Amino acid sequence: DAKTTQPPSMDCAEGRAANLPCNHSTISGNEYVYWYRQIHSQGPQYIIHGLKNNETNEMASLIITEDRKSSTLILPHATLRDTAVYYCIVATLKLSFGAGTTVTVRA
Amino acid sequence: EAGVAQSPRYKIIEKRQSVAFWCNPISGHATLYWYQQILGQGPKLLIQFQNNGVVDDSQLPKDRFSAERLKGVDSTLKIQPAKLEDSAVYLCASLGLISSDEQFFGPGTRLTVL
Repeated sequence: DAKTTQPPSMDCAEGRAANLPCNHSTISGNEYVYWYRQIHSQGPQYIIHGLKNNETNEMASLIITEDRKSSTLILPHATLRDTAVYYCIVATLKLSFGAGTTVTVRA
Repeated sequence: EAGVAQSPRYKIIEKRQSVAFWCNPISGHATLYWYQQILGQGPKLLIQFQNNGVVDDSQLPKDRFSAERLKGVDSTLKIQPAKLEDSAVYLCASLGLISSDEQFFGPGTRLTVL
């Protein structure tokens, strides 16, 4: 019963920006948008989160639409090490993971 | 800082046997989570502790699963008896006060039930 919709998979070229979409049309006013990723055989890793405003950190940028019904995670310069499953989650405190998007970065 | 530690990393048991997993969270993290991740799916929350008290165990199959965090630090998750469908990766995560929006996950324990 995840509240988000993500494409099951996407490819991107090494060195290019990767734009990962997420739809969350039923998001509540107090829910944040979180992004985590999970590299093969590792635990999930936090990337970024936001409420209304766009956010940027050393890993990625998060763009949230004005109506908050969708967002995009941007990896500015994808590397082979960014190959992972990326999870978009809307939550207040409790994280509910869906199936995520399997991102494959190709040389 | 040291990350979340889990052991063992792998465990193979036969159905109806018992198994226990151990988690040591990041020092000072009061909140601890156990997740179950079945192959091909995202992690599913089993139980959440705040210090040594249970905050949420609504998704824990209490007829066979139990968890404790007696001193508010380390935690153990037990399955007794195990079923084939319990084959999964069991992840532990902790949450601090300062970085209270970021859960830190351990590497997980991969359980195979034969």
